[in-house]
Amino acid sequence: GENVEQHPSTLSVQEGDSAVIKCTYSDSASNYFPWYKQELGKRPQLIIDIRSNVGEKKDQRIAVTLNKTAKHFSLHITETQPEDSAVYFCAASIGGSSNTGKLIFGQGTTLQVKP
Amino acid sequence: DTAVSQTPKYLVTQMGNDKSIKCEQNLGHDTMYWYKQDSKKFLKIMFSYNNKELIINETVPNRFSPKSPDKAHLNLHINSLELGDSAVYFCASSRQWGGQYEQYFGPGTRLTVT
Repeated sequence: GENVEQHPSTLSVQEGDSAVIKCTYSDSASNYFPWYKQELGKRPQLIIDIRSNVGEKKDQRIAVTLNKTAKHFSLHITETQPEDSAVYFCAASIGGSSNTGKLIFGQGTTLQVKP
Repeated sequence: DTAVSQTPKYLVTQMGNDKSIKCEQNLGHDTMYWYKQDSKKFLKIMFSYNNKELIINETVPNRFSPKSPDKAHLNLHINSLELGDSAVYFCASSRQWGGQYEQYFGPGTRLTVT
């Protein structure tokens, strides 16, 4: 069935280091891959997204890469800061003929950036 | 000016009761969603409406009934509440359906069933 696997579940880095979170998806028709950041007690908010016709996208310290052949995509955060500490979720759209806008979310990664 | 709002923010109730959560968006979006986030932070789609029409209906107990009076509102009514219904419920909206539009989330409603 439709599935998105996300790793690691927790990640602790020193301020200034890089952080990488990886996701794999099962639906080969998926064509939209957003990343959401959820701070404690807050709502998930989109930080970056990528579509299937693009292999990489960057926005300041955040970048996402997509490998459609291998069905995996990754979030890269460089020069991490304490305010990057949050839970990060990857997601993949369910595509094909039943493209209803349904997103399948990964299990989440709790990122802790130590000052 | 809140884009997606939900009421109430907290809801504490006893097993067997019936409760409703309301959601409104002022973004002019066509599509709205309900998600459930459990204690392990897992986010799962429950329902989606596009222009008042149900388009996603996941495997959710029929005690849960969504209702969309217009495309700016999507409410969730839950009958005969059970302990396992305790979770944070998020409403979200997107410009259109079709899987390639950013979903904007509301602040969430923390439901506790005792």
